[in-house]
Amino acid sequence: AQKITQTQPGMFVQEKEAVTLDCTYDTSDQSYGLFWYKQPSSGEMIFLIYQGSYDEQNATEGRYSLNFQKARKSANLVISASQLGDSAMYFCAMREGYNQGGKLIFGQGTELSVKP
Amino acid sequence: EADIYQTPRYLVIGTGKKITLECSQTMGHDKMYWYQQDPGMELHLIHYSYGVNSTEKGDLSSESTVSRIRTEHFPLTLESARPSHTSQYLCASSIPRPGWANEKLFFGSGTQLSVL
Repeated sequence: AQKITQTQPGMFVQEKEAVTLDCTYDTSDQSYGLFWYKQPSSGEMIFLIYQGSYDEQNATEGRYSLNFQKARKSANLVISASQLGDSAMYFCAMREGYNQGGKLIFGQGTELSVKP
Repeated sequence: EADIYQTPRYLVIGTGKKITLECSQTMGHDKMYWYQQDPGMELHLIHYSYGVNSTEKGDLSSESTVSRIRTEHFPLTLESARPSHTSQYLCASSIPRPGWANEKLFFGSGTQLSVL
């Protein structure tokens, strides 16, 4: 079964507007971590934001915020005031299973295009 | 931030050649990982290491092998490359933190391998 699901293969947003990238996850663990990474066309993976399963408040990092809804098992990324440089692939990822080594599992990604 | 380097950045080789993809990090991180990524697709873990002389296979079966003789160096080798090995290979490292779930990965720029 897919552990991380990103249902939006591609998204468009107008510059300066906000955009939400969806992510749902599947785990039976009580303790887990959720991550978002950005991958520009150059190929490197850039860490954006982290949310722990026990964190009561949604994580924020500058223009990035994570809308964490634990009961629905969703961890959507919100980018406010989009910039042209935000155009990239965005990957949601989860770390679970401490006894399994806590490996990071990635979703399929969403390609975001910011229009001027 | 971690400094993690991958060479070569691009590699085009013929079928049957032996190749080694290099990955080095200068931050003394114990944990290192190799991910394989096809264009526009999710990352799949193929190898990981939790320290010197420790190597494990990841979730995606791979014909490659790895070694970890020094903390800073985690090379990946293909004994006999085939066209099915054409992909991007991303190396990453992380340092253990309290609350294991929040370890974030630092990625290299990747090696784009094409096997003709």
